[in-house]
Amino acid sequence: QQQVKQSPQSLIVQKGGISIINCAYENTAFDYFPWYQQFPGKGPALLIAIRPDVSEKKEGRFTISFNKSAKQFSLHIMDSQPGDSATYFCAASINFGNEKLTFGTGTRLTIIP
Amino acid sequence: NAGVTQTPKFQVLKTGQSMTLQCAQDMNHNSMYWYRQDPGMGLRLIYYSASEGTTDKGEVPNGYNVSRLNKREFSLRLESAAPSQTSVYFCASSGGRFSNQPQHFGDGTRLSIL
Repeated sequence: QQQVKQSPQSLIVQKGGISIINCAYENTAFDYFPWYQQFPGKGPALLIAIRPDVSEKKEGRFTISFNKSAKQFSLHIMDSQPGDSATYFCAASINFGNEKLTFGTGTRLTIIP
Repeated sequence: NAGVTQTPKFQVLKTGQSMTLQCAQDMNHNSMYWYRQDPGMGLRLIYYSASEGTTDKGEVPNGYNVSRLNKREFSLRLESAAPSQTSVYFCASSGGRFSNQPQHFGDGTRLSIL
């Protein structure tokens, strides 16, 4: 049972453009929604996270938008750069994320010059 | 800071062989986790340990066993390896419930079962 659905599977964006990755969840008990970034040969690293009491969180070029009623959240990467090329995973958990995470299936992002 | 250290980084096994994947963290985290990553399936939780002395099954525990040796170390054992267990295995740790220390991952063990 896939409790967190992520799309698209792959994404190609031109340098300077906006990259958008979407996730939807089913379990209304989830209360922590992180995004992880993974480079080839490395483990996932926490990029940004949000809790459902806010609708948006921004850190630099990265923004999470959260829609509690629709049970959806998305990652926006502004001014996308070649160094942003990586695989991105959304995830969700209960108890504020410091216990087990349920991951989406990942999006391979490629930024082209 | 080493963070989460996994050994070995690569391993090739024959079907039926056994092996133990090692994981150690130096962040004084309470909780530790083992995930497997397969193409198109994201990361799936195999087992986790909320605190020293406790372990619980995750989403895909069949064919695996774990040991929380102490607060720092959490090992994953394949008793009789099968080709379906070919995957990349990640260990992670976090502060656990009521902490503000999210999950940190190691760089993985790439395991092939022939």
